[in-house]
Amino acid sequence: AQRVTQPEKLLSVFKGAPVELKCNYSYSGSPELFWYVQYSRQRLQLLLRHISRESIKGFTADLNKGETSFHLKKPFAQEEDSAMYYCALTQNSGNEKLTFGTGTRLTIIP
Amino acid sequence: DAGVTQSPTHLIKTRGQHVTLRCSPISGHKSVSWYQQVLGQGPQFIFQYYEKEERGRGNFPDRFSARQFPNYSSELNVNALLLGDSALYLCASSYLTDTQYFGPGTRLTVL
Repeated sequence: AQRVTQPEKLLSVFKGAPVELKCNYSYSGSPELFWYVQYSRQRLQLLLRHISRESIKGFTADLNKGETSFHLKKPFAQEEDSAMYYCALTQNSGNEKLTFGTGTRLTIIP
Repeated sequence: DAGVTQSPTHLIKTRGQHVTLRCSPISGHKSVSWYQQVLGQGPQFIFQYYEKEERGRGNFPDRFSARQFPNYSSELNVNALLLGDSALYLCASSYLTDTQYFGPGTRLTVL
């Protein structure tokens, strides 16, 4: 069975400090990994996906198959980064079922 | 395009009642998925429909059912409501198997 684990429910970081949100997964095949974000009073939206290898809003995430991790990183936190972050995976086979972690609430301290 | 739309925004029902939630996908998107998000948890997959056919079903009881219409909009039906069905119900649409775009959700409260 596929599972996504986000060990931190809450994370507080000072503005300008580096940010790392942890995500570990278990899946027997070759998954596709995503980070979704939900800002206050907004809908859930895609932040980035590992196959695109893009940097969105300064965030990056590297898929480590050996450690089955997909941690989200940003070198310098900004106040507008405060939000709920969800790591998710799907089978890399056209099946769209997204399996989400429980989320991490990131608060940037001014 | 307004994005994925869902109705109603909020809903209050009592145990044993039935509820229908509606979703309109982004224009051109033929795939619709439904998720349940209980407070403090991530969204959990309920159903996926593509071209009016069920493509996937999550681990939910038969009280949950859904369908997709010729215009690709979708309904989620829940029968014999239980207190534990109280949650935010999210709809997402996508073009083929591309990125899923989420709606604002319907907040269901069962009393």
